[in-house]
Amino acid sequence: KQEVTQIPAALSVPEGENLVLNCSFTDSAIYNLQWFRQDPGKGLTSLLLIQSSQREQTSGRLNASLDKSSGRSTLYIAASQPGDSATYLCAVVDQAGTALIFGKGTTLSVSS
Amino acid sequence: DGGITQSPKYLFRKEGQNVTLSCEQNLNHDAMYWYRQDPGQGLRLIYYSQIVNDFQKGDIAEGYSVSREKKESFPLTVTSAQKNPTAFYLCASSISPGGHEQFFGPGTRLTVL
Repeated sequence: KQEVTQIPAALSVPEGENLVLNCSFTDSAIYNLQWFRQDPGKGLTSLLLIQSSQREQTSGRLNASLDKSSGRSTLYIAASQPGDSATYLCAVVDQAGTALIFGKGTTLSVSS
Repeated sequence: DGGITQSPKYLFRKEGQNVTLSCEQNLNHDAMYWYRQDPGQGLRLIYYSQIVNDFQKGDIAEGYSVSREKKESFPLTVTSAQKNPTAFYLCASSISPGGHEQFFGPGTRLTVL
């Protein structure tokens, strides 16, 4: 059964730092991987989608990479800002292509 | 303005009551999903629907029911058989099943009194 793990569970950094969030999954047979942002009490905002054939995707200060063979993805945030403070969730769609399987998230706090 | 709406934002249920959570999308998406989120846990799939008049159970379907009579609507009923329904419920949709990008609504927080 596919399992998704995110490390660390929480991260605090000063404004301006570059940072990396990690996501690992146990079964490399995935359709795609999606990174989300969740603010407290809110729904999920899709940040980046990486198809299984892709190695990375970029959007603004965000860059996500995917290494299927090792079962890992990283989300790189450049020049962090206090507005980046949120919980970041990683999720994969398995080969059955039905629904997302989520990690528990990394809660990021960026101080000014 | 395209998107997914969920109502109500907050819902309170007495023990033994059934309640229905609304999810509507105007994105013309075929696939819709219901997830449950508990503190400290990842989101878990309750039900999903790939097309109108069809739906499938997810990992934690017991105590829940759904219908998909219209493409844009996928309501979730939390029945009295669900023993621990207090949670944050999130609805999502994608253009089609099979691994396309999923978009989420704002969520409904259900509390059992």
